Amino acid sequence: KNEVEQSPQNLTAQEGEFITINCSYSVGISALHWLQQHPGGGIVSLFMLSSGKKKHGRLIATINIQEKHSSLHITASHPRDSAVYICAVGANYQLIWGAGTKLIIKP
Amino acid sequence: GAGVSQSPRYKVAKRGQDVALRCDPISGHVSLFWYQQALGQGPEFLTYFQNEAQLDKSGLPSDRFFAERPEGSVSTLKIQRTQQEDSAVYLCASSPRGGSYEQYFGPGTRLTVT
Repeated sequence: KNEVEQSPQNLTAQEGEFITINCSYSVGISALHWLQQHPGGGIVSLFMLSSGKKKHGRLIATINIQEKHSSLHITASHPRDSAVYICAVGANYQLIWGAGTKLIIKP
Repeated sequence: GAGVSQSPRYKVAKRGQDVALRCDPISGHVSLFWYQQALGQGPEFLTYFQNEAQLDKSGLPSDRFFAERPEGSVSTLKIQRTQQEDSAVYLCASSPRGGSYEQYFGPGTRLTVT
């Protein structure tokens, strides 16, 4: 079993839909990252969470430390949100990475 | 620029050639990380520097891989005698403190070994 599991692996939605991507982990962590990677592009850090909830524009990230679960939400999705979204958890100085969720938003 | 930069962005090497990939971290950042991302996979940890000290190189896949950060700033990842399985995107990240999880990523270098 992977230490970090994301779901779904692939998600296709229509423009405007509310998107949720989930991340569950099995190790003790101090922080959880949500990152975005566009095709052929580098990785951009969206959020780093250790508790509660953070919001940036149309993106919202939540974490439940007791349940070892985090969600990334995108409101009013747009085709430019199409990318791979990766959950990574911080254990010591290393990041343990999820496999990523490939999101496609159709106009 | 204020971000992490990497060069070259793309590199094509013939099997057996040596390559050197460069990472310029954010100025003043203490920690530097290298990751390897194969096509369709998540990044895999390669090595970690705190200033000029390489504290962990457990992720380097073979002794053909070598990383250095001699002055605690710029880092170079060198791959000797490249093999096709080395084809991947090599990502560099830096963070402002030792052992910090606040990692800022560079754009990556896509290496293709033919």
